[in-house]
Amino acid sequence: EDKVVQSPLSLVVHEGDTVTLNCSYEVTNFRSLLWYKQEKKAPTFLFMLTSSGIEKKSGRLSSILDKKELFSILNITATQTGDSAVYLCALRRNRDDKIIFGKGTRLHILP
Amino acid sequence: GEEVAQTPKHLVRGEGQKAKLYCAPIKGHSYVFWYQQVLKNEFKFLISFQNENVFDETGMPKERFSAKCLPNSPCSLEIQATKLEDSAVYFCASSQSAGDTEAFFGQGTRLTVV
Repeated sequence: EDKVVQSPLSLVVHEGDTVTLNCSYEVTNFRSLLWYKQEKKAPTFLFMLTSSGIEKKSGRLSSILDKKELFSILNITATQTGDSAVYLCALRRNRDDKIIFGKGTRLHILP
Repeated sequence: GEEVAQTPKHLVRGEGQKAKLYCAPIKGHSYVFWYQQVLKNEFKFLISFQNENVFDETGMPKERFSAKCLPNSPCSLEIQATKLEDSAVYFCASSQSAGDTEAFFGQGTRLTVV
């Protein structure tokens, strides 16, 4: 069965720290891997990864995919309290375009 | 529109009543997905559409849940005879059809069954 496993499930760090969130997956027909940030309401899109080894970057956030080892990481440097959220990793399958979500990592940044 | 629009934002129903939720995808997006999120836990996939055609309905509880995406109308998710465990936030997402594209989410409809 296709699945997405995120770790850790929750993380508490101090402002200014760097965090790495992990996402491993099993899928029969990979299309893309997606990262979302969910604060109070709708998940907001962060990154879409389709190729191994190519880092995607947006400000203090970056992400990379390893299709051989079947995982992705999301890095946040110099964390701020506004980074506190649930970070969701999701997999999009090729055969039916279904998007399968992990359970998320709840990140809390202490001031 | 430029964003996925879900209505209503909140819906309260007594057990056994019907609930109907609406989703207008981003203009030009032909895929629509419905997800159920209970208590900030994982997203449970319900159903997806490609234009007005059901693409994948493997997540739908068949007895009470139904959904439609008709031309020139918002998509809808209907729950007949709601139960307490249907209380959740229902998210709709849309994406373009071609190529590797991301899905964008609406703000969700919070359904509370009392």
